[in-house]
Parts: sequence; C-alpha cells; structure tokens
Amino acid sequence: NAGVTQTPKFRVLKTGQSMTLLCAQDMNHEYMYWYRQDPGMGLRLIHYSVGEGTTAKGEVPDGYNVSRLKKQNFLLGLESAAPSQTSVYFCASSPVVRGKLFFGSGTQLSVL
Amino acid sequence: GESVGLHLPTLSVQEGDNSIINCAYSNSASDYFIWYKQESGKGPQFIIDIRSNMDKRQGQRVTVLLNKTVKHLSLQIAATQPGDSAVYFCAENTPAEGGYNKLIFGAGTRLAVHP
Repeated sequence: NAGVTQTPKFRVLKTGQSMTLLCAQDMNHEYMYWYRQDPGMGLRLIHYSVGEGTTAKGEVPDGYNVSRLKKQNFLLGLESAAPSQTSVYFCASSPVVRGKLFFGSGTQLSVL
Repeated sequence: GESVGLHLPTLSVQEGDNSIINCAYSNSASDYFIWYKQESGKGPQFIIDIRSNMDKRQGQRVTVLLNKTVKHLSLQIAATQPGDSAVYFCAENTPAEGGYNKLIFGAGTRLAVHP
C-alpha cells in the first residue's frame, strides 16, 4: 500500500520555466490538497479538491494551477516559475472533510 | 534533505521527561484540531486529533488539551524519547468559501530530546 506518492522528489527550474508536480493516492480518498512549506512558516494551503473534477483555492493560490481529472491524481502546475516559488511542496489526501490528512514525502523545488 | 523550520521555537527536554508543546489557534469557528509530527526529510505524520466538543483526548503517550476560551491547544508527550525529536505542528479545521472546510497549520515547534 503506497499511500500518497509525489513525483518528482527534487527539481531545479529556471525562472519562467513551467512544470507539473504529480500526486497520486491509492486510498480512494475524496479530498486532496497541495501545500507549500517554507522555513518558519509551517504549511500553507495552495489549492485543494473535494472530489474528481473539482478544485478550489487555498491561502496562496497565485502562480499555481491544479487539475483533478481522476480521483486518484491531483496535479499542481507552475506555468511560469518564479524564485518566490522555491519551496517544499506536499500533497495530502483525506477520506472525509474533517479528518486527518495523509501526506506524501514532498517535492523540493528550487527556482533559479 | 530540505530545511524545515530554520527559525522555529525550540523545546529542549531530557530523555524520560514529559514534554508540553503549545499552540494558539486563530479562528473561534474552528471545530477540529490535529497535531502532526514531521521528521527531517519526511512529510507530516498524524499524531492525535480532537473535536471542539471535547477538552481532552489521550492516545499512546500523548494527550491533547483544548481550551476554547483562550483558543489554545497543547500536546503533552509522556516519557519523551529520542525518537520524538521532530517538528510538531498544530492544525485547525476552519470554514472556507463554498461551505467547505480547510486545514490551517501553525508555524511549528521543534522538539529536541537530549540523552
């Protein structure tokens, strides 16, 4: 049972490049989330999804887009990367709206 | 691995002592709270949760206390072990637009356990 899997684990981008982070969960969870983690700031919610085909903005959505075409996958896109997007990105899923989140192991992204 | 919490408050304890980690939450409408543990290079792991209709909940070696009057949450770890060394986050489930709820995390506290 893999749980929540994120790919890639590490990535370096140049300013202006685009990329997509993939999150896959095999627990049949309805809810999925993308967080970013910066030193001293905890985890901040970027976007989330309450089911296949639905997405919503979190605290810091600017510069990111997401898609949930399949229930098990939640993609996070950066159309034009900026140095301010250098961070560690975590995906999470949960079976219910008020319940514990299951996190992936993170993606470390550096934008030069 | 990635750097987590370079400027976090740190709680240093001796192995075997009890640890208390505190958290202030922001939204009086929040109705569910979770504590997570994050070890270096890993994603957060669930420790214990509590709903707003409770004041206290106990798990294995951990207890969460909720004081809604002052919007304060605490995590108590009994007989702290070296393996407890990590960054601990509290999170509150808060109403969001569209009738959905979202989990908002605190900045975290680093727990350092010394032998």
